[in-house]
Amino acid sequence: AQSVTQLGSHVSVSEGALVLLRCNYSSSVPPYLFWYVQYPNQGLQLLLKYTSAATLVKGINGFEAEFKKSETSFHLTKPSAHMSDAAEYFCAVSDLQGAQKLVFGQGTRLTINP
Amino acid sequence: KAGVTQTPRYLIKTRGQQVTLSCSPISGHRSVSWYQQTPGQGLQFLFEYFSETQRNKGNFPGRFSGRQFSNSRSEMNVSTLELGDSALYLCASSLETGYGYTFGSGTRLTVV
Repeated sequence: AQSVTQLGSHVSVSEGALVLLRCNYSSSVPPYLFWYVQYPNQGLQLLLKYTSAATLVKGINGFEAEFKKSETSFHLTKPSAHMSDAAEYFCAVSDLQGAQKLVFGQGTRLTINP
Repeated sequence: KAGVTQTPRYLIKTRGQQVTLSCSPISGHRSVSWYQQTPGQGLQFLFEYFSETQRNKGNFPGRFSGRQFSNSRSEMNVSTLELGDSALYLCASSLETGYGYTFGSGTRLTVV
């Protein structure tokens, strides 16, 4: 069975500092990996996805993530945090085969300090 | 291009009642999935439909059901509501595997 672990339910950084949100996955087949962001009272917005092409994936709003098979990780980074980045971030995995089913991590709430 | 539309946005129901939630996917998207989001359990997969066929189902009781119409619009139904069914229900649509889901804003269901 697939699973996702997000290390740290809350992360706080200063405006302008590096953002690093950690995600480790477990999958018996080559995975598709996703990062989503959720602002209060809204749905999920796709930041980026890995689908077995380039291991360094660039997404929207300056975010990027690197797929490391040996570490089963897919950490999300942004060089310089903005106040508007404050939100909850979810890592998700799905398998290549069969129907689409996303398995989500528990989420990381990102706080940006001025 | 219109996004995924979920109606209604907010709903209050009484225990024992039933409820139907609606989702209109992005035009051309044939896959529609439903997720339940609660503070305690996080985001959990309910079911996925593709071209009117349920392809995958999560670990929820039979009180939770869904369907998809020929125009790809989908509904989910919860019968005999329980307090624990209070949650944000999210619908998502996709072209096909690997494209990633586009989520709607959700329907917040409160059971009293």
